[in-house]
Amino acid sequence: AQTVTQSQPEMSVQEAETVTLSCTYDTSENNYYLFWYKQPPSRQMILVIRQEAYKQQNATENRFSVNFQKAAKSFSLKISDSQLGDTAMYFCAFTDAGNNRKLIWGLGTSLAVNP
Amino acid sequence: SQTIHQWPATLVQPVGSPLSLECTVEGTSNPNLYWYRQAAGRGLQLLFYSVGIGQISSEVPQNLSASRPQDRQFILSSKKLLLSDSGFYLCAWRGPGNSGANVLTFGAGSRLTVL
Repeated sequence: AQTVTQSQPEMSVQEAETVTLSCTYDTSENNYYLFWYKQPPSRQMILVIRQEAYKQQNATENRFSVNFQKAAKSFSLKISDSQLGDTAMYFCAFTDAGNNRKLIWGLGTSLAVNP
Repeated sequence: SQTIHQWPATLVQPVGSPLSLECTVEGTSNPNLYWYRQAAGRGLQLLFYSVGIGQISSEVPQNLSASRPQDRQFILSSKKLLLSDSGFYLCAWRGPGNSGANVLTFGAGSRLTVL
């Protein structure tokens, strides 16, 4: 069965510093997509970044970047220059390339950015 | 551009009363639609998804049902609410077809409290 594991239930970081959130997944598929979503206290779920498994280059969106290690089935999220507005729950998710029906979700990591 | 609307935002209902949460999507055709529940601020549980009008797939046996009377309308219902139905409900959509590349976009959520 396909699974997504986020091993850090809670993390904290000082403002302006860098933090890395971990995510591992398990699949026998070769072609798939990985996502990081953010859920701030407002509870609105927002896409942070997306990675295609067939791309070797790590995805980057401004201060957010991923370290995608396909062989290790690892997909960590790095947040640089952390801001107070980054305080949120972060969810890692996975989907097969050919399955548009549903995503497999991790349980989330609660990140607190401290002033 | 595509937008997703979900209402009501907050609902307090007595045990045994009916429920209707509504979700509509604008700016796209034949979307894949989803209902998720999130309890205690952690983890997303997929309840239902739909790939077309009248086509509903249930992920978890429960006290809830879903309907898709129109292409861009998705309704979550219950005839008699239970205390355990309390939670945060999220509607989401993805593009049509079978591509895992399609991003899941969420509504603002509905907070249901059953007393």
